Amino acid sequence: EDQVTQSPEALRLQEGESSSLNCSYTVSGLRGLFWYRQDPGKGPEFLFTLYSAGEEKEKERLKATLTKKESFLHITAPKPEDSATYLCAVQTYGQNFVFGPGTRLSVLP
Amino acid sequence: GAVVSQHPSWVICKSGTSVKIECRSLDFQATTMFWYRQFPKQSLMLMATSNEGSKATYEQGVEKDKFLINHASLTLSTLTVTSAHPEDSSFYICSAYGSGRSNTGELFFGEGSRLTVL
Repeated sequence: EDQVTQSPEALRLQEGESSSLNCSYTVSGLRGLFWYRQDPGKGPEFLFTLYSAGEEKEKERLKATLTKKESFLHITAPKPEDSATYLCAVQTYGQNFVFGPGTRLSVLP
Repeated sequence: GAVVSQHPSWVICKSGTSVKIECRSLDFQATTMFWYRQFPKQSLMLMATSNEGSKATYEQGVEKDKFLINHASLTLSTLTVTSAHPEDSSFYICSAYGSGRSNTGELFFGEGSRLTVL
């Protein structure tokens, strides 16, 4: 069975305190791995897609990396406005999208 | 800007009435659209998958007669909550998958629709 897990469930950081969020997956075949940011009461906002192990993508303070078993979302010097729930999802070759439960990030000023 | 538009953002209705939520892909053809339900502080719960021109595939436990999904074109899918009851109150989100200008086959989400049934 295809599974996606995320850790930690919740993370509190001080402003400027860098950290990483983890997304681990067990799927029959990986077509792509997606990262999203979701603010309360809003739909998920697309951040990155990664397609192959070793791939990295960056956007402002965020950098996503991918291995054959997991992906990391690195947050460098976070700001309070980075507070949100971060979701990862895996697209399988069967065209299914399997979502992780998310990591709730709080960045304190 | 938003590539998937969802409407309405908020809807309040009386118990027993039906409510329709629209999901439109704005600058790409959505071969597949997904409908989710989300409870507070929980992750997305997939309700159904719809492919343009064919019947939706519902997840186990989702009543197809209660949640009617239509995907009549490559840019529009609708979710109709029929005979809504207070327990149907939730945040409903659509997402669309397809090839667009970038042709990378990405999955984009709508802004979500908050349904409150009185």
